[in-house]
Amino acid sequence: GAVVSQHPSRVICKSGTSVKIECRSLDFQATTMFWYRQFPKQSLMLMATSNEGSKATYEQGVEKDKFLINHASLTLSTLTVTSAHPEDSSFYICSARSGASITDTQYFGPGTRLTVL
Amino acid sequence: ILNVEQSPQSLHVQEGDSTNFTCSFPSSNFYALHWYRWETAKSPEALFVMTLNGDEKKKGRISATLNTKEGYSYLYIKGSQPEDSATYLCAFIRAAGNKLTFGGGTRVLVKP
Repeated sequence: GAVVSQHPSRVICKSGTSVKIECRSLDFQATTMFWYRQFPKQSLMLMATSNEGSKATYEQGVEKDKFLINHASLTLSTLTVTSAHPEDSSFYICSARSGASITDTQYFGPGTRLTVL
Repeated sequence: ILNVEQSPQSLHVQEGDSTNFTCSFPSSNFYALHWYRWETAKSPEALFVMTLNGDEKKKGRISATLNTKEGYSYLYIKGSQPEDSATYLCAFIRAAGNKLTFGGGTRVLVKP
């Protein structure tokens, strides 16, 4: 099956620093990648959708200047949390889709646990 | 805000027993429903995509049904095994929508 990797799996950083998370589709080309986050005891919430070579589309309430998304190739998307603060501590998970339909399967990475001190 | 609810939040099942749990979603503007299985420390794994009212899908001992008129889907596990222990997520797509809206998941623990 399709494999999506995500790095790092866990990161601890100081408040005010920036953190970059990578999401790679290993054996397929992802026309669309998605970034989600999950706070404790809550559902996965979509943050943004990105298509290769285009600007990401952010969900309401997600600051685009704080969560920078780059989807420079068909196999790599990055999420940079800029000037991270403790309230940004969360579980971040990406997914990738090769097809164009919303019903096409999204393949997920294993997620990144971000802790901001 | 779309309300996608899963119940129960968690359940314990004895090995060999069968079980089922529910995903509820808005019955209006339905387009599709995904089911995922998420084991701890692993990536969520796609199980089914369901689009038609009355759909039934099956993968091994796991099956799912869909009722779009009343807004629910059941996921069944027959003869539960310890390896079935995971969180099962449903994700709703509304008509003309372009994103998945996830429920909170049902955490299943199968006890030997």
